[in-house]
Amino acid sequence: DAGITQSPRYKITETGRQVTLMCHQTWSHSYMFWYRQDLGHGLRLIYYSAAADITDKGEVSDGYVVSRSKTENFPLTLESATRSQTSVYFCASSPGSPNNSPLHFGNGTRLTVT
Amino acid sequence: GQQLNQSPQSMFIQEGEDVSMNCTSSSIFNTWLWYKQDPGEGPVLLIALYKAGELTSNGRLTAQFGITRKDSFLNISASIPSDVGIYFCAGPPLYSGGGADGLTFGKGTHLIIQP
Repeated sequence: DAGITQSPRYKITETGRQVTLMCHQTWSHSYMFWYRQDLGHGLRLIYYSAAADITDKGEVSDGYVVSRSKTENFPLTLESATRSQTSVYFCASSPGSPNNSPLHFGNGTRLTVT
Repeated sequence: GQQLNQSPQSMFIQEGEDVSMNCTSSSIFNTWLWYKQDPGEGPVLLIALYKAGELTSNGRLTAQFGITRKDSFLNISASIPSDVGIYFCAGPPLYSGGGADGLTFGKGTHLIIQP
């Protein structure tokens, strides 16, 4: 089925471990995004990518790494997870700039760092 | 720092009531967007506004781009149970040091409807 899928849906990891969250879209959208959602903060942008091999920092990029070797995939890696990175992570894609094109969000990955 | 402020933070209303919420920015925007998030899902775009003073409707939803370009309003008429969720306003990035295409979201308005 076409769409944007995130995996895993739930993840529990320990402080200091590396963890990668996956995002895959089947629309061939140029733009992809990673947001985190926390109570009291709403949605905050971590990283985004305007095309394959092009990435840009968002508001809260420290402690995260992304790559975009293929248009359809945009994995997010926490190199050494911390408790403050416990959150719900949303991946999104859009065919063009988000100011002119709607973002299509996945259903999120709930990450708990113990 | 620059902020995108949404109010109210939450609303408890009766089914059938009209709903109003707003969003203000410390900066002038050229675009205002309204998204809705259903429980357990990602947000979905409801309405996009591109011009100061613009009034746009989507079914029972109406949104306006404020004349000052620093605010926007979303109204829902005759609310129904499926209107429950979190409503976010969004606009161009307000943070420094990042790319120009990252959307900034407000903190959201939680809408709860009592039958």
